This record gives sequence, C-alpha cells and structure tokens, in this order.
Amino acid sequence: KNQVEQSPQSLIILEGKNCTLQCNYTVSPFSNLRWYKQDTGRGPVSLTIMTFSENTKSNGRYTATLDADTKQSSLHITASQLSDSASYICVVSENNDMRFGAGTRLTVKP
Amino acid sequence: SQTIHQWPATLVQPVGSPLSLECTVEGTSNPNLYWYRQAAGRGLQLLFYSVGIGQISSEVPQNLSASRPQDRQFILSSKKLLLSDSGFYLCAWSRGGTSGGYEQYFGPGTRLTVT
Repeated sequence: KNQVEQSPQSLIILEGKNCTLQCNYTVSPFSNLRWYKQDTGRGPVSLTIMTFSENTKSNGRYTATLDADTKQSSLHITASQLSDSASYICVVSENNDMRFGAGTRLTVKP
Repeated sequence: SQTIHQWPATLVQPVGSPLSLECTVEGTSNPNLYWYRQAAGRGLQLLFYSVGIGQISSEVPQNLSASRPQDRQFILSSKKLLLSDSGFYLCAWSRGGTSGGYEQYFGPGTRLTVT
C-alpha cells in the first residue's frame, strides 16, 4: 500500500477558478513534505517544502498547508491559469527515504 | 548555478537491445544522484541512488543497472531491454549527505519506448 495517497486522481477546472489538491500520508517518522509540479514530458519542479512545525507555505498563487496531526496536506491554487495544467506530486520524506504520491493531473481549460 | 542534463530526450528501442541513458550535473560537487522511472499515469519509482563515485544502491530488483564513473555523471544501463522497461526516466540530484533530507532537482527526463 502506497504510504502517500493523493486525491483526486485528475481534475478539470476553468481558467480563473481556484482548486485544492489533497495529500494524505502514513509515513513515519516524518521529515518534510514537498509539492512538485510536473509538466507533461518534463521533470518535476519543486513548489513548496514544509517541515513538521510549518502549517502553511506559499509560492505565488500556490499555497500548501500541512496538518501533521492528521497527516494531511493540501495544495491550493488560486486564480488558475492555463499554464497550471500539469501533474502535482506530493512527496513525503521519512528520514533518508522519499515517498512519492501518484500525483493529481490538473487540466485548466479556457 | 546548478544544472542537470539528460540524454537522449526520447528513445525507441527494440526488445532485447541494450540501453544507456546518461545524466550529468554541473555547478556542484559530490552530489547525491538518483534514477527514477515513471510509468504512464503512475508515480515516480526510485530505481537507484548514489552517494559517491562507484557507490550504487538499488531499490528494486530489475533488468537495469546503474554506474557512476565520475562525480557528476550517472548512467542507467541494460544489456537486454524488456517491454516493461518502457517509461519516462528521470535523473535527479541533491546535496550530498542524507538522501532524503535535501531538495531533489530533476532533469528533463528521457522517454523510452521498447517495441
């Protein structure tokens, strides 16, 4: 069973709308949690990284939240743009190991 | 600044043929290096990681092997490709030391299709 579960698997929204992607994990002990954006056919690029003590981290229109008690994280995208169409991957570090979620495929339509 | 290169960008190979994918990093020294595979619609799967020249750790048994002949060069190989080896291969680097503690930076990837 994957220790990092992301939902939804895919999402289609209209340009300008907001959306929230979810990441639940069972990784323990927890070191940090990262959100990556992966454009089709490209390597992932880091958006945010949060440690145990951080509840929220923003990067432009991207805001990640972390609840270490419930082991949940979310990535909120505000005022979506066509260029936001990509896969968003949640990665949880467990000491020396990184556990990858399967990603959420976001499509932003005009 | 640091950059990571992978080539080729795309590759179509017949079953049973050999494989060699190359990854190089510039602008840093003694990085940790990683090879991942991403099957269509699936998450990233760590294949190999290296903390130094000649030091290779394999995460899953498979048809592939990795080598690190130089500090900033990481090579993924196979003697005989299988259909199941098709996928998107990503190389990544991070600062040396604890493999999970530092940010990983990914290369552009290689799309491999085995026919």
